[in-house]
This record gives sequence, structure tokens and C-alpha cells, in this order.
Amino acid sequence: NAGVTQTPKFQVLKTGQSMTLQCAQDMNHEYMSWYRQDPGMGLRLIHYSVGAGITDQGEVPNGYNVSRSTTEDFPLRLLSAAPSQTSVYFCASTKRGTGVANYGYTFGSGTRLTVV
Amino acid sequence: GENVEQHPSTLSVQEGDSAVIKCTYSDSASNYFPWYKQELGKGPQLIIDIRSNVGEKKDQRIAVTLNKTAKHFSLHITETQPEDSAVYFCAASLIYGNNRLAFGKGNQVVVIP
Repeated sequence: NAGVTQTPKFQVLKTGQSMTLQCAQDMNHEYMSWYRQDPGMGLRLIHYSVGAGITDQGEVPNGYNVSRSTTEDFPLRLLSAAPSQTSVYFCASTKRGTGVANYGYTFGSGTRLTVV
Repeated sequence: GENVEQHPSTLSVQEGDSAVIKCTYSDSASNYFPWYKQELGKGPQLIIDIRSNVGEKKDQRIAVTLNKTAKHFSLHITETQPEDSAVYFCAASLIYGNNRLAFGKGNQVVVIP
């Protein structure tokens, strides 16, 4: 089925561990992004990419790394997990638009991460 | 940068009544305004969007209106049903061609049977 696939769905990490959250889309979308969702905080942008080889920081990038070697994949790396990174993480993608031709995002189903 | 605010944070309505959620935005250059619905345990899903060159858009029981002068846009749900219970997010595009969206903090809508 076409869409955005996130793995794993659940993860528990110990403080200081590292891990990679996977995100893949099969819609040939140029734009991909990572958000974290915390109670009362809405969706906050961590990192985004407008195409393969191009990434940029969002509003809460500290503690996270990304890379975009292919159009399909956009993994999010936690370098040294901290309890403050306990959250639900969503990956989203869209066709790249210009001017008024922006398009809606397709979100994955999320990864629920707990750091203890 | 763009700042999007949603009101009210929680809205309870009787089944069959209408629900209205309002969002305000700060950047007059924003030109794209989508609404997302998030059901429990799932990712947000686009339900309707509007571009700055129109003032209203409808899709069955949902509609969105845009007031560019006042910099606010609203989601209207008519004849609410229990399956409309969810968190609704509004968003606004930041910069032409950038694709970044600024999201509001979300509204919890509860439809009481």
C-alpha cells in the first residue's frame, strides 16, 4: 500500500543509548520531515529534507541527526537518548510545491519512544 | 517565523450539532492552510485544505473558511457524529516553495452521543 511507513512502532531505550527511527515512503515525494508530538505541545518540527542529499533543521533539532541518501528513506538518529526525548515521533512526506501549489502531508503511523 | 494558534483547546458537542474550530496565523505571506484529523493512536490525516486565492471550501460535512484580512481560518463540521471525535490540527505554510508547515497545538473534539 502506498504511504509512509515508520518502524519500529514502539521502543524503550536506556539513557545514553543510540538508535535510528526508520521512515520510508513509496510516493516519490521530494519533501520529508520528522515531527515529535508531546502533550499540549502539538507537532514540532525536528528536521526536514527537500530532496535527496539536502537536509535542514526544524525548531527542535538538538540531539537528533538525519540524512537523505535516497528519495524514499529519511531515517532519524538519536545520538545519546535522554528522558526529554520521550515522545511520539511522526514522519511525513509531500510533493514539493512552489507558490500556492503546496500539497498536503502524508503522515506515518508514528513511533512511540520511551527513554528511561 | 509563523505562529499558528488554535481555539478552543477542547470542544464538546452533542451528536448532530455543529463544531467550529478557529485558527489564527501571524505571517501574512502564508498561502496554504490545511486541517488534519488525528484519531487515537494514529498519525494525522489531511481532511481539507484551502489556498489563499479562495475564501471557502466544502467537502460533504466539513468546510473551511479563510479570512486573509483578519488572518484567521476556521474548520466547520456539521451534523457531527461520534467518529468525528479526534484531535484536529490546523497549519499554515511558512514560505513560498519551502513546504514547511507551522502547526497549531491541536483541538480535542468530543462528540457526545
